[in-house]
Amino acid sequence: SQELEQSPQSLIVQEGKNLTINCTSSKTLYGLYWYKQKYGEGLIFLMMLQKGGEEKSHEKITAKLDEKKQQSSLHITASQPSHAGIYLCGADGVGSTSYGKLTFGQGTILTVHP
Amino acid sequence: DAGVIQSPRHEVTEMGQEVTLRCKPISGHDYLFWYRQTMMRGLELLIYFNNNVPIDDSGMPEDRFSAKMPNASFSTLKIQPSEPRDSAVYFCASRRGFGYIQYFGAGTRLSVL
Repeated sequence: SQELEQSPQSLIVQEGKNLTINCTSSKTLYGLYWYKQKYGEGLIFLMMLQKGGEEKSHEKITAKLDEKKQQSSLHITASQPSHAGIYLCGADGVGSTSYGKLTFGQGTILTVHP
Repeated sequence: DAGVIQSPRHEVTEMGQEVTLRCKPISGHDYLFWYRQTMMRGLELLIYFNNNVPIDDSGMPEDRFSAKMPNASFSTLKIQPSEPRDSAVYFCASRRGFGYIQYFGAGTRLSVL
C-alpha cells in the first residue's frame, strides 16, 4: 500500500520566518493534496498537484511536486500566526481496494510565535 | 453548495449507549468517507463508499461500529455499544472521484463517559 512520510513532525517558528514541510511517498504520486487543519476543526483543502515539476502558489504558500512525482514540499513565506495548525498531505491510491481514496501522511504541527 | 454537513457537532454519551453520527455529502460526489481522529493515532480511515456501496471497511475497529449509506445524500456511522476509547473526532468527507478534491465536514466530537 502507498505510504506517505511527512517531515518534520512538528515545527516551531518565529513570525516572519520561512518554513518548508516535506511529504515523501514510497510510490509514484498520481495526485497530491495539501490540507490544513486547525485544532478541533475539519480539514481545509489548500492545493492539488498532479504533474511532475508542478508548482502552485496561493498567497504566501507554495506547493511543489518533484519531477519523479515521489516528493512534495509546502513552503510558507513570512509566516504569520494565522498559518499555525496541522498540515497534512494526501495522495490518490491505486489498486482495487485503494481506488478513489486518499492516503494521508501523519501530519506536521506548525506553531508560529508572534 | 453548503459543503459536507455533519451532525451533531458534539455528542456526549455514557458508556454502553448507542451513538449515531450523520453525514450529508456534497451533491454529485460519488465517494463518501468516514474518518476518526485522535491525538494518539492521528487521522484513520474507517470505511468508504462508492455510489452508496461500501468499498473498504478494513478500518472499522470492531463489530460495534457499522456504517450505512441508504442513498446518495445521506450516510450514518453507528457505534453500539459505545466505549470510552471511542472518544474522538469523527469526520465525514466526500469527493467526485479519483483526481478530484476531497472535502471534509466540520466533524463530530464524541465523548463517551
